[in-house]
Order: sequence, then structure tokens, then C-alpha cells
Amino acid sequence: GAVVSQHPSRVICKSGTSVKIECRSLDFQATTMFWYRQFPKQSLMLMATSNEGSKATYEQGVEKDKFLINHASLTLSTLTVTSAHPEDSSFYICSATGTVGAGGYTFGSGTRLTVV
Amino acid sequence: GNSVTQMEGPVTLSEEAFLTINCTYTATGYPSLFWYVQYPGEGLQLLLKATKADDKGSNKGFEATYRKETTSFHLEKGSVQVSDSAVYFCALSGDQAGTALIFGKGTTLSVSS
Repeated sequence: GAVVSQHPSRVICKSGTSVKIECRSLDFQATTMFWYRQFPKQSLMLMATSNEGSKATYEQGVEKDKFLINHASLTLSTLTVTSAHPEDSSFYICSATGTVGAGGYTFGSGTRLTVV
Repeated sequence: GNSVTQMEGPVTLSEEAFLTINCTYTATGYPSLFWYVQYPGEGLQLLLKATKADDKGSNKGFEATYRKETTSFHLEKGSVQVSDSAVYFCALSGDQAGTALIFGKGTTLSVSS
């Protein structure tokens, strides 16, 4: 089946530094990638949608200069949290759709970001 | 806009009990409906889905029927196991290609032996 590999699974960084999270589709072409964040014991909140080769579309309230999304190829999308602060600590999950058939959403395994 | 309303948790059951987690939705057009499961510290796994009215999705003993007349997609399992303890999310996607899933708030299920 379709697989999305997300790395790293966990990362701890110092406040003020930047962190890059990668999502790779291993066996299909991800034409669209969605990035979500999840606070403890809460639901997934959509941050942005990116289509390969285009600028990402951000949801209201999400700072595009803080959460940089790149989707330069059909198999790789990255989310960079710039100048991270403790309030950015969260669980980030990517989800891809593409050449996987109707209604196919494949999720990465998530990245636990802790900013200290 | 589209939205998903899911019953509040947590749900605590004994092993072999019957499970129902209610999910209703608001959507324009003809959305697809999904149930995802999340185990502690992990990402989401697709449990089942239905793409049109009256479809029944089923997997691992779980099932849900797409009811357009009641705009519902309730999750059921006849006999839960301890290993079913997890968070369950109901979700919908719009009927246009490339739209994001919209999730309910999630329901935590705890099954004790």
C-alpha cells in the first residue's frame, strides 16, 4: 500500500532555532500534501495545503513566515518551523494524496516537536 | 462550511462489550467519510471509509454505515478488545479532488480486561 515516511519522529530544539520536518511518499506521487498539528488530547488542525510546484495555501491564523512549506517534488514535502518557541511544541503530521486511487489519504507517522 | 461532530469521550468499556461512537457531519455535496485510529505516540491509521450513501465500511470487526438521511457515520464493534484502546477520529473529505480531511475532535476508548 501507499506509504508516507515522515522524519524525524521526535526532535528537541532550543528556542530560536529552526527545525525541518520531511515527508516522503515512497511508492506513489504525492500531488497534494497536507500539514496538520495536533495538541495533546485534541484533534488535528489543518495548517496548510501544498500542491507540487506551487506555493502552499495556509489556513487562517497560521503564520506562513513561521511555518515554511516546500513541495518541490512529487515525492517530498518539508515543513520548517522557523525561530521555534515553546508554544510551537506540538505533534505535526503530514498527509498526502496523489496517485493512490479515489479518496486516498496517506498519513505520515508524525513528528513530536519539543522546543525548550 | 464542512464540519464533523463526534461524541465526547472518554469511553470506558470492559472487554467484549459493544461499542458505538457517534459521528455526524455537515457538508455540501457528496463527501467521503472516514474513521481513523491513533495509538499513543503514533500517527493516524485508516480504519474504514465509505464514499457514498448507504455504503458500509468495515475492518477488523469495526463497521460504519454512511447515512445521508441522518448525516451520520457511527462506528460500531460488537466485541471490543483491550488492544482496541486508542483514540478514534471521524473525518470527511469534500467531493472535490485535493481537499483536506476535516476531523472530529476524537474519542478516546479505553478497554479493560
